Order: sequence, then structure tokens, then C-alpha cells
Amino acid sequence: QSVLTQPPSVSGAPGQRVTISCTGSSSNIGAGYDVHWYQQLPGTAPKLLIYGNSNRPSGVPDRFSGSKSGTSASLAITGLQAEDEADYYCQSYDSSLSGSPYVFGTGTKVTVL
Amino acid sequence: QITLKESGPTLVKPTQTLTLTCTFSGFSLSTSGVGVGWIRQPPGKALEWLALIYWNDDKRYSPSLKSRLTITKDTSKNQVVLTMTNMDPVDTATYYCAQEGGYGDPKFDYWGQGTLVTVSS
Repeated sequence: QSVLTQPPSVSGAPGQRVTISCTGSSSNIGAGYDVHWYQQLPGTAPKLLIYGNSNRPSGVPDRFSGSKSGTSASLAITGLQAEDEADYYCQSYDSSLSGSPYVFGTGTKVTVL
Repeated sequence: QITLKESGPTLVKPTQTLTLTCTFSGFSLSTSGVGVGWIRQPPGKALEWLALIYWNDDKRYSPSLKSRLTITKDTSKNQVVLTMTNMDPVDTATYYCAQEGGYGDPKFDYWGQGTLVTVSS
């Protein structure tokens, strides 16, 4: 039911860089709507991690960064740490008349090896 | 400090109506631009947006669930209530309420801890 597509999983060793893609369409990301990212630690609620494609809320480490191009967006984690092991979701707005206006990604599980 | 907390039954039977309450603090739903939404997450699955209500009583619903959902607010109590009719086992999920970024800012800034609702006879 998710409109935005993410890889199911990515992994990396501590200190490495990993990226998560979020692919949408011309009615959401491609239409110019912002992409936001949420981090969901095991057993907890999602937390806003990146907003407006590339902005970090106060308190979010600068090893997290976001970007957007065309109909896709990406989240990068540099200097991967054990505490970054979590599920990550992208979210955008969709102008399709028949679908939900708030759309989430399929989710990506980040594993720290 | 903004906080939100969901409350409601943990177990409902198929065909029953679910009523969930989101009680929040640190902001007011009488302030221009403010919105509160509901999002759910089936076990092991992705997030799904359900409904949202704004300070001016503007309401938005997921098209696929619109016929089953009603969202209301009680500004004096700092609460938002979501009702979902005709519950089915596929509706088993953790239900979250969240503060929306505001008109023209469709993101969810703050989330409640979530409440797990199981639909089973």
C-alpha cells in the first residue's frame, strides 16, 4: 500500500557510510513536494530525523543527511554507529486525487554489522 | 515540551467500533495552523496515514478508509478522537497520533508512543 519505495534492508560496519533510497513518482516527490525521514528504533515510535529534504531537527547528529533529486530522495548515514540500527521511513505529500495525501515509504532496516 | 499519548482498548472484536483518544500537551489545537493526525503500523509492516484534523476543524481522511473513519477534536481537553467502524483482524496495528507540521508543512514533528490494538474474536 506504500507509495514510496525503499530497499528492505541495508547494512554496514561501524564507521562506514550507508545510503537509503526513496523512490516516488510525478505526483509526490517528482511534483516538488518535500521528503521527510523518520527513524524508528526497535520498539519505539517514529521520530522525525530529516525534514524538508535535507534539514535536521535540533539534536539530530550531523552524520545524518538527506537529499532529493527528480522523483527520488536519499538518506545517508556517515560514520555508522551501533545506535543507528533502526528502521527508517521516508514520507512525502501526494497530489493524486485517488490516493492518500500523506504517503510513507516501505521502510528500510539498517543493520550495523 | 510537546507530548502526545494515545489511549483506548487493546483488544476489539471483529465488526466492533474502535475509539482511540490522543491527549496532548505543549501546544493548542486552537492555534492557527496546528494539526493532529493518526498513523498506524501493522506488526512488522510500514506506516500508513489514516486521518488528520486542523485547528479550524478541517478534516482529511485516507480515501481507502474514509467510510470507516471519523476524527474529532475537543480543544478544551487537548484531545483528538479517532473512531474506526467495522474492525477486522487486518486492522490489528499500533496506532500513533502525531502533531502535523501545519498547513502547508505536511510532516509529523512529534509522535505519541503508540497503542497496540488487536482485532480478534
